[in-house]
This record gives sequence, structure tokens and C-alpha cells, in this order.
Amino acid sequence: AQSVTQLGSHVSVSEGALVLLRCNYSSSVPPYLFWYVQYPNQGLQLLLKYTSAATLVKGINGFEAEFKKSETSFHLTKPSAHMSDAAEYFCAVEAGGYNKLIFGAGTRLAVHP
Amino acid sequence: GAVVSQHPSRVICKSGTSVKIECRSLDFQATTMFWYRQFPKQSLMLMATSNEGSKATYEQGVEKDKFLINHASLTLSTLTVTSAHPEDSSFYICSARGRVNTEAFFGQGTRLTVV
Repeated sequence: AQSVTQLGSHVSVSEGALVLLRCNYSSSVPPYLFWYVQYPNQGLQLLLKYTSAATLVKGINGFEAEFKKSETSFHLTKPSAHMSDAAEYFCAVEAGGYNKLIFGAGTRLAVHP
Repeated sequence: GAVVSQHPSRVICKSGTSVKIECRSLDFQATTMFWYRQFPKQSLMLMATSNEGSKATYEQGVEKDKFLINHASLTLSTLTVTSAHPEDSSFYICSARGRVNTEAFFGQGTRLTVV
């Protein structure tokens, strides 16, 4: 079975600071991994995805994530936070192809001036 | 990316009534659609998966007679909450995948409030 653990339900950073949102996964088969962002009362927008190609994945809005098999991790980073990055972020795993997604609990990112 | 439209965005209904939520793929054919439920400040929980022309596959613990899912065409799936109760109040989100676009695209969600 697949599962996702997001460490830290709330993360607060200063504008311009590094953003690091942690995600660890469990999967019995090579996983596909995703990061989504959700703004209040809205659906989810895909930030980036790992599908067994390059381990360093670049996404939209300056975000990137690195797949580390040895650590079963897929942490999301951004060098410099913007106020507009404040939102809820979800890591998700899917095993063996494009089937259903299993989401982590989410991390709420706050960015303060 | 592809567009998935969900309607309505907000709905308030009385206990005991039924509510229908629509999920449309506007610019691609969605062979598979997913319905999620999200409680406040929590993650998305998959309720069911539907393939066009087939019966939906429900996740464990989800009442199929209460949450009726129809996926009659390649661009439309509906979720009907029957005999709604206040505990059904939640944020419901659909997502869709097509034959060519294997990525899942999400609707904007529907906030259901049962009073």
C-alpha cells in the first residue's frame, strides 16, 4: 500500500527566505510523486511531478523537488518565498501509473513580511 | 493545462434533501474521474473512482447509496448526496484524467452546507 507523510502541518517563513516542505512516502512499487497547492476554497493546482525521469524536478512558480529513493523523500523547496506562496501544500503518491492519488495531510505555509 | 469545471461552487441545502454536484472536463475527454471529500484543515480523502460508462468504485467506508456517482459521458460526472445530513457538510472536489492527458486535473471544489 502507498502512503504519504508530510512533516509539519504548519510552516512559517519570512518573505525572501527559503521554503522547505517535507514529504516522505511509502510505496511497494516505484512511485509517481506529486506536489499540489491549494488556495482557500479552491481546488488543487499541480506544482510539479516525479514520474521516474530526472530526480530533480522543477515546477511552476519557482518550486522544485528532489526524489531521493534512499530516504524515501520528495521534499519541496523554493529559494525565496513570496507572499503569494501562502497556501496549503499537499504531497501525493501514486503507484504503478496514473491511477488514484493518495494525499498527505497537507502543510499550511505562511509567509510574513 | 486542461480545465475541469465543477458546479456549483457553494450550495446550502436542508436536511433530508438531495444535492447534485457536476464535474465537467471542458477541453479533454475524461475517461476517469475521481471524487474527493475534504474536511476543514484536513487532507483530501478519495471517495470513489468512476470510469465512463461503468459503475463507480467506492473506497472503503463510503456509502454508495448515499453518494451516487454517475459518469455517463466522457465530459461529465455527477455526485449526488442523497438525504443529506449536517455531517455531510464538507468540501467536495473532483478530478479528471483523460486518455492522452494522464495527469489529473482538479475542479475548483464545491462547499456543501447542510442545515
